[in-house]
Amino acid sequence: EAAVTQSPRSKVAVTGGKVTLSCHQTNNHDYMYWYRQDTGHGLRLIHYSYVADSTEKGDIPDGYKASRPSQENFSLILELASLSQTAVYFCASSPDSDEQYFGPGTRLTVL
Amino acid sequence: AQSVTQPDARVTVSEGASLQLRCKYSYFGTPYLFWYVQYPRQGLQLLLKYYPGDPVVQGVNGFEAEFSKSNSSFHLRKASVHWSDWAVYFCAVPPGTQVVGQLTFGRGTRLQVYA
Repeated sequence: EAAVTQSPRSKVAVTGGKVTLSCHQTNNHDYMYWYRQDTGHGLRLIHYSYVADSTEKGDIPDGYKASRPSQENFSLILELASLSQTAVYFCASSPDSDEQYFGPGTRLTVL
Repeated sequence: AQSVTQPDARVTVSEGASLQLRCKYSYFGTPYLFWYVQYPRQGLQLLLKYYPGDPVVQGVNGFEAEFSKSNSSFHLRKASVHWSDWAVYFCAVPPGTQVVGQLTFGRGTRLQVYA
């Protein structure tokens, strides 16, 4: 069974609208991450969290907020979606060992 | 800052041929290193990981990688490629900060396999 799930798997949003991407993990991991992937590029870290009710900024946090209401759930929020935020978003979890376990991704298109 | 460079954006090989995907790292000290694979329309999956010790690491599906401190490299190899290996491969390194688990990824190498 998939240990990291994401919803929705695909979404079309309008510019200026609010978008919430959800991630759920059953790995019992403390660490969770949000990345974005753009065509031809690697993954870039947006936000991460190492404990519930706390989030940290990654390398590209501008335009994004994150929420970690429980150990299992980690959300990424785009308050005012923009065209430049069209990308595939991946959630991941990890224990202490640096190895990360990824979800299947959410393809977001902003029009 | 810690980083990894994958110099080849795309590699094309014939099925059954050998494969090497290159990764160069920049890191103060001896790093942990990872190779991940992303199959079409899927998330990343761990292929193998290196912790300081034996420089040759075995992974899944016949993949292996060799760590070289003198060359700052962690190249991925496979003796005989299968069509199902068609995917994007990412090299990754921890950032060397106090944050456990945070990885920096290379841009990826797209592997195409033809019959």
